[in-house]
Amino acid sequence: NAGVTQTPKFRILKIGQSMTLQCTQDMNHNYMYWYRQDPGMGLKLIYYSVGAGITDKGEVPNGYNVSRSTTEDFPLRLELAAPSQTSVYFCASLAVDEQFFGPGTRLTVL
Amino acid sequence: GQNIDQPTEMTATEGAIVQINCTYQTSGFNGLFWYQQHAGEAPTFLSYNVLDGLEEKGRFSSFLSRSKGYSYLLLKELQMKDSASYLCAVSPWGNQAGTALIFGKGTTLSVSS
Repeated sequence: NAGVTQTPKFRILKIGQSMTLQCTQDMNHNYMYWYRQDPGMGLKLIYYSVGAGITDKGEVPNGYNVSRSTTEDFPLRLELAAPSQTSVYFCASLAVDEQFFGPGTRLTVL
Repeated sequence: GQNIDQPTEMTATEGAIVQINCTYQTSGFNGLFWYQQHAGEAPTFLSYNVLDGLEEKGRFSSFLSRSKGYSYLLLKELQMKDSASYLCAVSPWGNQAGTALIFGKGTTLSVSS
């Protein structure tokens, strides 16, 4: 199993550009999450999904959108990138009582 | 509101024992997690406590007191590779939010020889 994979690993965006952060898991987990982690701060939940076709907002959803058309994929969309969205983004999926994290995407908005 | 507190930094020497404390105030409680995160990497699961008491797993142990809103992670026989950030996280919502987690800011542990 590859576990949770994320692409890209790094990305630099200009203000106002849009992009999609990809997340895929091959463990057939229903629950998936997107977190962001800023320096010196804990991870903050952006969006989560309890299964294909079902998504909901977390603590910090503004400026982001998600979709969940399949069990495996949970992409995160930034429509109008802003400097405040400079962060490291982690996707995770849940197995019983343990969340498995992807390797992260480091995003810089200039 | 939801709040999780843990020390920002700790230092220790190889072979020693270190205890990282975590206190939490959350709207609900469905378990407390400890994760290890090396710089530039993803968090990796260390432990999960949902009942009071001590859970031991090799060199790592985690303790929970729900009545006090308190947990600690105990690391024994410290090694240089234990230098990392340790994240305390609580599941406050149970099934209502897909068991999403509230994270503390993390404790950066530096182990020296």
